[in-house]
Parts: sequence; structure tokens; C-alpha cells
Amino acid sequence: AQKVTQAQTEISVVEKEDVTLDCVYETRDTTYYLFWYKQPPSGELVFLIRRNSFDEQNEISGRYSWNFQKSTSSFNFTITASQVVDSAVYFCALRPYNNNDMRFGAGTRLTVKP
Amino acid sequence: EPEVTQTPSHQVTQMGQEVILRCVPISNHLYFYWYRQILGQKVEFLVSFYNNEISEKSEIFDDQFSVERPDGSNFTLKIRSTKLEDSAMYFCASSEGTGMNTEAFFGQGTRLTVV
Repeated sequence: AQKVTQAQTEISVVEKEDVTLDCVYETRDTTYYLFWYKQPPSGELVFLIRRNSFDEQNEISGRYSWNFQKSTSSFNFTITASQVVDSAVYFCALRPYNNNDMRFGAGTRLTVKP
Repeated sequence: EPEVTQTPSHQVTQMGQEVILRCVPISNHLYFYWYRQILGQKVEFLVSFYNNEISEKSEIFDDQFSVERPDGSNFTLKIRSTKLEDSAMYFCASSEGTGMNTEAFFGQGTRLTVV
């Protein structure tokens, strides 16, 4: 069984603060993929990152960084120096290597106030 | 940049009516998907489609639902007899494959309202 848990339902920060969105997953598969998607108020789902389970290297892309820890089954997402435009719902998702059924977490609604 | 496009953006239908949601996946992609998001809830997998047949489907995807690739570009989701609980945002997605190039790119969604 696969499951993605995003325990933080809503987070509110003030602009320029750093914020970390937590994602914990469960899977019996040894090879899998993890994703983060952003859903802004306009409603579309925007792909942010894919991480393969056999690659634990952390990644930084501008103000975004991701911390993948296989030992704790976590794939956390940090936004540095947050901006109002970062306000959105962020979804973490998990997909087995040989299966198309991508499971999403419940999402974390991030509000960045000016 | 290539993108997945969905039409219409919003559809209102009466309960019991049939609806067809349309999608044009990214042209070189081979895998196509439909997901559903009931307002304020998580995104749920419905079905995946590859090589002109369903490759996986969830428990949500019952006999009321069907998918089709009627030509080389469109990918459709049909709901035969809509129920109030079918009201949701429906997302189409496509991906190059299921291996290394595995991220799914989503369309902007079709908001279905059943009244």
C-alpha cells in the first residue's frame, strides 16, 4: 500500500521568511518516484520536482530546495525568502517505478503575507 | 513550451446527463492520465492509458467512466450518467514514459459542476 502524508494542512508566513513543507510517505516498493506539485489559486497543477528513490542527493533550485531522506521516508520542501507569489497549495506525490498510479498527499496550503 | 490543454474549462451539466471532457496531451508523450480533485480535497488518480488501452485504473473509475483516444491527438473522459458527487476538477496529464522521464504534466483542468 502506498500513502503520502502531509501533516501540515495550512501554513502562514510573512514574506521573506523561510518555510518548510513536510512530506512523509509509505511504500513497500524498493524503487519509486517522489514529486512536488504547486497548485496556485488559478487551479492548475505545476510540476516542481521529481526525485528517484535511488538518488538521495538533495537539490536546490533558486529559492527552492528539497531534502530527501530515505531512512525516515521523508521528502521535505523548503522555500527560502518566501514571496507572496509562493502562496498556493503544495502537493507531495509518490509513484512506484512500474505503475502509473500516482498517489497525492492531502496538500499544504501556504499563505505568504506581505 | 508544449503543454497539456483541456476543454472546456468549466462545464455545468444536469444530473443523469452524459459529459465528455477533452484533452490534448503533449505531442510526444505516450502515457495519458485522468485525475480528479473534489473541491478542497486531494488529487485522486482515476486512470492511465497507454498504447490505446487502459493500463491502470483506481476504484473510483467504475463502469460510469470510460476513456478514449479517438484520433492521434485527443484523449477524452466520458461520464455516462453524471451524479452530484461527480462534481470536481478533472485534470488530464501526460508523460513521456514511466521510467526515468516519468513526471506527469497536467492540464489546467476542467471544472465539472453537476446540478
